[in-house]
Amino acid sequence: EPEVTQTPSHQVTQMGQEVILRCVPISNHLYFYWYRQILGQKVEFLVSFYNNEISEKSEIFDDQFSVERPDGSNFTLKIRSTKLEDSAMYFCASSGGLAGRTDTQYFGPGTRLTVL
Amino acid sequence: AQSVSQHNHHVILSEAASLELGCNYSYGGTVNLFWYVQYPGQHLQLLLKYFSGDPLVKGIKGFEAEFIKSKFSFNLRKPSVQWSDTAEYFCAVMGDTGRRALTFGSGTRLQVQP
Repeated sequence: EPEVTQTPSHQVTQMGQEVILRCVPISNHLYFYWYRQILGQKVEFLVSFYNNEISEKSEIFDDQFSVERPDGSNFTLKIRSTKLEDSAMYFCASSGGLAGRTDTQYFGPGTRLTVL
Repeated sequence: AQSVSQHNHHVILSEAASLELGCNYSYGGTVNLFWYVQYPGQHLQLLLKYFSGDPLVKGIKGFEAEFIKSKFSFNLRKPSVQWSDTAEYFCAVMGDTGRRALTFGSGTRLQVQP
């Protein structure tokens, strides 16, 4: 069964450094998403991406975040200058792009980001 | 704005016990509802989903959920749990505004004792 994959599984960085989290969505999917879960808190939506542009973003997704689909398979989340509060599990998801309400999102295993 | 509440944060059951996990949502329009499960060390997996039609939805591994519109609820049930059901369970909602962002509940950690 096709799966969403993410690399690395764990990333440790210093505050102020840039990090790039990588995801390979399911190959025929059209929508891509990033969510995050701070330890002990809810899974929160960050951004969705369709047709090479952001389709939705939350208030969390500020100017320090960016997303990109650099080639036909990868989908990346960049955090330009990491803060301590960016420490979280970051989940990538993808969906087939069925008409709105029937679309189902499939999640990757997550990247645990630790900012020191 | 939509929101989801899962009131059971940690549930401990013995094998063969029946399970019901509560999920209530807040949203004024038509909703899509989901239950995801996260087994230890694994990623979020879809258990079941409701879009329309029969409010009793059957999912994988013997799970089912019932959508009760009047109660804004989508509780997850399983008649007889197994040790392998030990996991964290997340309820999520997607509204009908055309947005695809999922709003998650805080999750319920289920521990099944053999």
